[in-house]
Amino acid sequence: KQEVTQIPAALSVPEGENLVLNCSFTDSAIYNLQWFRQDPGKGLTSLLLIQSSQREQTSGRLNASLDKSSGRSTLYIAASQPGDSATYLCAPGGTDKLIFGTGTRLQVFP
Amino acid sequence: DTAVSQTPKYLVTQMGNDKSIKCEQNLGHDTMYWYKQDSKKFLKIMFSYNNKELIINETVPNRFSPKSPDKAHLNLHINSLELGDSAVYFCASSQNRGSGANVLTFGAGSRLTVL
Repeated sequence: KQEVTQIPAALSVPEGENLVLNCSFTDSAIYNLQWFRQDPGKGLTSLLLIQSSQREQTSGRLNASLDKSSGRSTLYIAASQPGDSATYLCAPGGTDKLIFGTGTRLQVFP
Repeated sequence: DTAVSQTPKYLVTQMGNDKSIKCEQNLGHDTMYWYKQDSKKFLKIMFSYNNKELIINETVPNRFSPKSPDKAHLNLHINSLELGDSAVYFCASSQNRGSGANVLTFGAGSRLTVL
């Protein structure tokens, strides 16, 4: 059974800092891993998808890496901004479903 | 134009009642999902349908009955509501079945409160 852990659970930083959000999962037999953002009271927005054959994906100030064999993924946020404040969820994907981590709640203050 | 839309956004009801949440996607996706997010913000899959066919039923009480009249709609009916059913229910869709390179698109959620 896939278990997903995200560290830290919460993070509060001044804007401009470079951030690292960690995700670990127990079952390395995944097809992909997705990172999502959830704003309070809102749905989830897909940020990045890394296929199991890939090592990383980049989108703007976001970079996600995947080490499937060790069951780890990292989301790197460069030059953080107050608009980045949200909960970030990682979700490794099996055959038909994603299993979500508990999330990292990020607050970036001016 | 909303890609995945859910109604209602908020639902407050008494224990024992029966209620439905509707979901529609206009993305032309083949696969739709229902996820439940509890008070601790833990998001867990409940059901998945691919082209109207049930793919995943994740140990959900049979008081929950999904219905997919066509591949653009996946509704969730809940009988005999209990306090523990209070949560936010998210509908999602993806291009097709299986993970691969499928990106999930989520609706905004339906917050159910059972009194």
